[in-house]
Amino acid sequence: GENVEQHPSTLSVQEGDSAVIKCTYSDSASNYFPWYKQELGKRPQLIIDIRSNVGEKKDQRIAVTLNKTAKHFSLHITETQPEDSAVYFCAASIGGTYKYIFGTGTRLKVLA
Amino acid sequence: GAVVSQHPSWVICKSGTSVKIECRSLDFQATTMFWYRQFPKQSLMLMATSNEGSKATYEQGVEKDKFLINHASLTLSTLTVTSAHPEDSSFYICSATDDRGTDTQYFGPGTRLTVL
Repeated sequence: GENVEQHPSTLSVQEGDSAVIKCTYSDSASNYFPWYKQELGKRPQLIIDIRSNVGEKKDQRIAVTLNKTAKHFSLHITETQPEDSAVYFCAASIGGTYKYIFGTGTRLKVLA
Repeated sequence: GAVVSQHPSWVICKSGTSVKIECRSLDFQATTMFWYRQFPKQSLMLMATSNEGSKATYEQGVEKDKFLINHASLTLSTLTVTSAHPEDSSFYICSATDDRGTDTQYFGPGTRLTVL
C-alpha cells in the first residue's frame, strides 16, 4: 500500500541554525504534499504545502522542495527559533482523493 | 477562515459506554471530513472519510460498527465510539476540506478520550 517515510525522527539544532526534514512517498499519483506543525496536545497546523507541478516553494523562513522523479520532498527551516520546537509531519495525498498519508513525524528541538 | 471545532475537548468514560464526538466547520461548508486517531508520540492514522449525506468510508482494520460516523450536514460530522474499552483511549482529531475543491485539510483541536 501507499507509504510515507520521514527522517529524522528527532532533530536538535541550535537557535539560528537551519533544520531539514525529509520525506519519501510511494504513490506515484500523489500530487499534493502538505507539512503540518503540531505542538503537544494541540491540532496540526498547516505551515506550507506544495503541489506536484512545482519544484520549490518558500514562505519567509520555511521552504519546501519536491523531487517528483525520486519521490522525495523536504522541509527547510532557516534561522530557527525556540518557538519552532514542535513535531512536524509531512503528508502526501493519495492519488485521486483528498485523503492523506502522514509521515511518522519529526520532533524538532531548537536549543536557545 | 477555515476553522474547525470539536466537542468535547476531553472526555472520560467507563468501559462499555458510548461516547459521541462532534466535528464542526465554523465558517465554511465541508464537503468531506476525515477522522483520525493519534496515540501518544505517534502519527495521525486515518480512520474514515465522511461525506455529507452518504455512508462513511472506513480504512482497513477500522471497525465500522464500533466507530459510527454520521455526516448529517455540510458543517457537522459525528464520531460515536460504541462500547468503549481502555484500548480505545486516544486523541481523536477530525479534519475537513472546504467546498472550493482544494486539497487542504483543516484540523479540529482534537478530543482526548480516556476509557476507564
